[in-house]
Amino acid sequence: AIWVTQSPSLLPASSGDRVTITCRVSQDVRTYLAWYRQKPGKAPELLISGASTLQSGVPSRFSGSGSGTEFTLTISRLQSEDFGTYFCQQYDKFPLNFGGGTKVEI
Amino acid sequence: EVQLVESGGGLVQPGGSLRLSCAASGFAFSNYWMSWVRQVPGRGLEWVADINEDGSATYYVDSVKGRFTVYRDNGKNSLYLQMNRLRVDDTAVYYCARDPGVAAAHTVGHFDFWGQGALIAVSS
Repeated sequence: AIWVTQSPSLLPASSGDRVTITCRVSQDVRTYLAWYRQKPGKAPELLISGASTLQSGVPSRFSGSGSGTEFTLTISRLQSEDFGTYFCQQYDKFPLNFGGGTKVEI
Repeated sequence: EVQLVESGGGLVQPGGSLRLSCAASGFAFSNYWMSWVRQVPGRGLEWVADINEDGSATYYVDSVKGRFTVYRDNGKNSLYLQMNRLRVDDTAVYYCARDPGVAAAHTVGHFDFWGQGALIAVSS
């Protein structure tokens, strides 16, 4: 199985901050990596697929980069609606695996 | 509008069985891979199972192999998860999710729409 590790697990931040979350995987997944955000009590929502392709409707302050085993999600200027927990997920091979999550909080 | 609505959750004793259903609408259900993902409240996400467009191929996380079965009825736009020999550690919110990927392009395995989730509690 391909293991997925995110850091940090907790990210205190303020509105307007630039924040970066890192995702590392245990073997090369090329660019088969997705990012999700989850608000409390809600289902996750897909932000980025293919490591860097923004989903329709996702603001341009979000960006994804990386390939192989190291990836980053960057929010250029944090807005109040961006607080929540972010997960990365590899989909190069089954079983699919998620990272443990990064909680972005005030 | 894409909608996925899970039903069938509830409390069950260890060793028992339960079937989750997911009613899909707003898209051509038979053209998409579909998935189940679960989450222990307050914890991370765990992929459970995937099924291809016509139901001829299925994939499972090791911890549910031999106990859970994913299947679909394209005529009813519905996805199912039959869960047998349930264990306490199967307790979670189970999400039905749509996979926008295409197998031929090696892009299956991520999830662009999710249901609201159904809670399964396994306890004596």
